[in-house]
Amino acid sequence: GEDVEQSLFLSVREGDSSVINCTYTDSSSTYLYWYKQEPGAGLQLLTYIFSNMDMKQDQRLTVLLNKKDKHLSLRIADTQTGDSAIYFCACGSSNTGKLIFGQGTTLQVKP
Amino acid sequence: NAGVTQTPKFQVLKTGQSMTLQCAQDMNHEYMSWYRQDPGMGLRLIHYSVGAGITDQGEVPNGYNVSRSTTEDFPLRLLSAAPSQTSVYFCASSYDGGGEKLFFGSGTQLSVL
Repeated sequence: GEDVEQSLFLSVREGDSSVINCTYTDSSSTYLYWYKQEPGAGLQLLTYIFSNMDMKQDQRLTVLLNKKDKHLSLRIADTQTGDSAIYFCACGSSNTGKLIFGQGTTLQVKP
Repeated sequence: NAGVTQTPKFQVLKTGQSMTLQCAQDMNHEYMSWYRQDPGMGLRLIHYSVGAGITDQGEVPNGYNVSRSTTEDFPLRLLSAAPSQTSVYFCASSYDGGGEKLFFGSGTQLSVL
């Protein structure tokens, strides 16, 4: 089946930039998402990108998409302690609400 | 505006017991789905529904049943709980199935002993 892979852990210092990477196998994915999960909570959509785009910027967040390599990244500028959470990459290819999620990357922000 | 409401938040079952996890949304969303979250494995789709009366299997459907008799409700039934079903369960809904509008509930933490 289709697969989405992420590294499991990233640690950065407050004020630095964080880059979380994701690779996927489904070349037909039309939507690629980044979700944030804080402890004990559900998933919150951070941002998403359509497959016909290669970059999307939203305040401190920058999403880069390399369709050729099937690689997605999320850059968080000026990372704050409140950004500490698990970040999930997800891909979807049809309007069914079916998403394939990565394992999640735990972001630790040290003061 | 309640969004997606899941009950209960926590549940402990014994092997072989049955139970129903409830999910309700008040946004008139057509699409609803159930995911389970296990450590190091992300979220995996169990079942989903594209509208009242229509359900389909996701990636890991075995051991679970669903029904969608109304637009608002999408319960998940465990007929005979097994320790392998210990997990955190999330219900999600969206208006048109697009992930950019996918709303998640706060989750149900289930332990099967």
